[in-house]
Amino acid sequence: GENVEQHPSTLSVQEGDSAVIKCTYSDSASNYFPWYKQELGKRPQLIIDIRSNVGEKKDQRIAVTLNKTAKHFSLHITETQPEDSAVYFCAASTTGGFKTIFGAGTRLFVKA
Amino acid sequence: ETGVTQTPRHLVMGMTNKKSLKCEQHLGHNAMYWYKQSAKKPLELMFVYSLEERVENNSVPSRFSPECPNSSHLFLHLHTLQPEDSALYLCASSQARGHEKLFFGSGTQLSVL
Repeated sequence: GENVEQHPSTLSVQEGDSAVIKCTYSDSASNYFPWYKQELGKRPQLIIDIRSNVGEKKDQRIAVTLNKTAKHFSLHITETQPEDSAVYFCAASTTGGFKTIFGAGTRLFVKA
Repeated sequence: ETGVTQTPRHLVMGMTNKKSLKCEQHLGHNAMYWYKQSAKKPLELMFVYSLEERVENNSVPSRFSPECPNSSHLFLHLHTLQPEDSALYLCASSQARGHEKLFFGSGTQLSVL
């Protein structure tokens, strides 16, 4: 069936360093790729998304890249700060459908 | 309150109990979802309602029964649950056309004893 694989499951970085989280998806019909951040005890919230007609998107310190041929997409966080510590989920879905497939999550620790 | 509101925040129930989870969205969305979040597992889609019609049912056991009386409210009725059903149950909403940006509630942390 459809699935999204996410790596690594845990990532620890020093404050100011960059963090990269990678995902692969199986359904070639997927055309929308959101990233959600979930802080401890809080709800998942969308932080950035990318559609299949775009290869890269940036919003301040975060950026996403998409390689449709390889079915890979990645989240890049630069100049990490302690408040970036959270669980990050990648996901894939198809416009017009109702099923978003989530990755298992990456727990990011940013050490001050 | 704006956004997506879930009640209760925490629920402890025995295997023979019947309880209901409630979700309300104030965003004018037409699609609502129930997700199950277990430790170290991906978010699992349980049910989707679009314009009050169920459009997705992901092989969820019948001990979970959803209800969507209108586009703003969603319920999950629980009965004779098992301990492995203990998890965080998240409600979400989105625009009806295109399962795109999801707005989540804070969830109900369910413990089944």
